[in-house]
Amino acid sequence: QKEVEQDPGPLSVPEGAIVSLNCTYSNSAFQYFMWYRQYSRKGPELLMYTYSSGNKEDGRFTAQVDKSSKYISLFIRDSQPSDSATYLCAMSRSGGGADGLTFGKGTHLIIQP
Amino acid sequence: GAVVSQHPSWVICKSGTSVKIECRSLDFQATTMFWYRQFPKQSLMLMATSNEGSKATYEQGVEKDKFLINHASLTLSTLTVTSAHPEDSSFYICSAWVSDRGPSPLHFGNGTRLTVT
Repeated sequence: QKEVEQDPGPLSVPEGAIVSLNCTYSNSAFQYFMWYRQYSRKGPELLMYTYSSGNKEDGRFTAQVDKSSKYISLFIRDSQPSDSATYLCAMSRSGGGADGLTFGKGTHLIIQP
Repeated sequence: GAVVSQHPSWVICKSGTSVKIECRSLDFQATTMFWYRQFPKQSLMLMATSNEGSKATYEQGVEKDKFLINHASLTLSTLTVTSAHPEDSSFYICSAWVSDRGPSPLHFGNGTRLTVT
């Protein structure tokens, strides 16, 4: 079993829809959870950064972490064609600095105009 | 804040030559930088952890003599791919951590696409 599982997609939804992206993980030591957006031929861009279980909202984006189920989600409301990208979940034990990040494979999201 | 700049953004080189990639933290000091490699439609794979003033730590399976890492200052780390071969063609991405603010996420450069002919 891989440490982080993420459906690679592609996931195609119409503009304006609510998008739900998910990752599961196996290492209970992970405490910090991140979502990155990566456009083609670009580096990952940080979208959300959360610690432990709970919800965090930033504009159209909401991140949820359920440590008891080892399950994290990213919701995108009012999706736009510009949201089309690959979304990577990432997690670490120490916040990123001491031990780097463990990434999911990324979900390719397509928002249809 | 927390901008990471990577240069060059793309490079084409001949087999057997060496290529140097620079990673700079523009508005913060980075004690630690990480180098990742990404193949098409694959996730990021950590290659090595670069620590300012000391030797880099390489992940299992990464040849330290082939991928030379130097972290000579708190704002600059370099990755040199020595004697490059076509199988080294990939997307190399560096990242840095703002180490003086407690737990914080990694910020990534825009990557370097290396093509070895």
